[in-house]
Amino acid sequence: QSVLTQPPSASGTPGQRVTISCSGSSSNIGSDIVNWYQQLPGRAPKLLIYSNNQRPSGVPDRFSGSKSGTSASLAISGLQSEDEAVYYCAAWYDSLNDYVFGTGTTVTVL
Amino acid sequence: QVQLVQSGAEVKKPGASVKVSCKASGYNFNRYGISWVRQAPGQGLEWMGWINAYNDNTNYALKLQGRLTVTTDTSTSTVFMELRSLRHDDTAVYYCARDFRELELQRPGYWGQGTLVTVSS
Repeated sequence: QSVLTQPPSASGTPGQRVTISCSGSSSNIGSDIVNWYQQLPGRAPKLLIYSNNQRPSGVPDRFSGSKSGTSASLAISGLQSEDEAVYYCAAWYDSLNDYVFGTGTTVTVL
Repeated sequence: QVQLVQSGAEVKKPGASVKVSCKASGYNFNRYGISWVRQAPGQGLEWMGWINAYNDNTNYALKLQGRLTVTTDTSTSTVFMELRSLRHDDTAVYYCARDFRELELQRPGYWGQGTLVTVSS
C-alpha cells in the first residue's frame, strides 16, 4: 500500500491537456525531489521527469512536472495516442528510509 | 548508451531462493548505484533495495530485510539480487535500475528489461 496517492485514472481526447496529481506528506514529497515514470503496456518503466520538473534528454516538452508543499503534479499537454500508459510519481520517504512509488494513474486517450 | 541487461525468467517453489543478474554497460559502473524494483501481476511498483557500486553499501526495504541480498561483481559490471524463502506473493517482474544522477542516490533512472519470477508449487 503506497503512501503517495494518485487518482486511478485520467483521460482526454487527442490534443487535450491532462493533469495527474500525487499527494504525499512532509516525510516524502515535502522533503525530497519528485520523479515521474511512464510505463507503457508490457514495458519497463521509463523516467519521464526528475528533480520535480526536469525532463531527461529525449522526453518531449509536452510533459511537465511541478511540486508544491507535499503534493506534485504531472501535466501532459497536446495528448497523443502513444501517451496511453500508467504514470507513477516517486520520492524518498525519510521515515521508512525507502523510495516510495505512487499508486499509479492509467491515462486513456479517448 | 546506458544498458542494463537482466537474466531470464525463473520458476521457483515456495521456500526456495532466486538470484537474478543485471549486467551494466555504457557507463562507469562504479559511479552509480543500482536499485531493484518489483511489480506483482497487475500491481504497482515496489522498491526493494539498493547497492552503491563504489563501496558495496546497501539499503533494503524494511519488509524484505533478512530475505534480500544485493551484491556486485565489478569485474563483469554485474549486480545480483538474491531473494530467499520465496512465497507465492513474491511472484513478480523484477527490475534493476541505475541511479539517474550521480549525486541523487537511490533514485532510479535507467531500467533493465525486467525478469519474471514465478513462485509456484
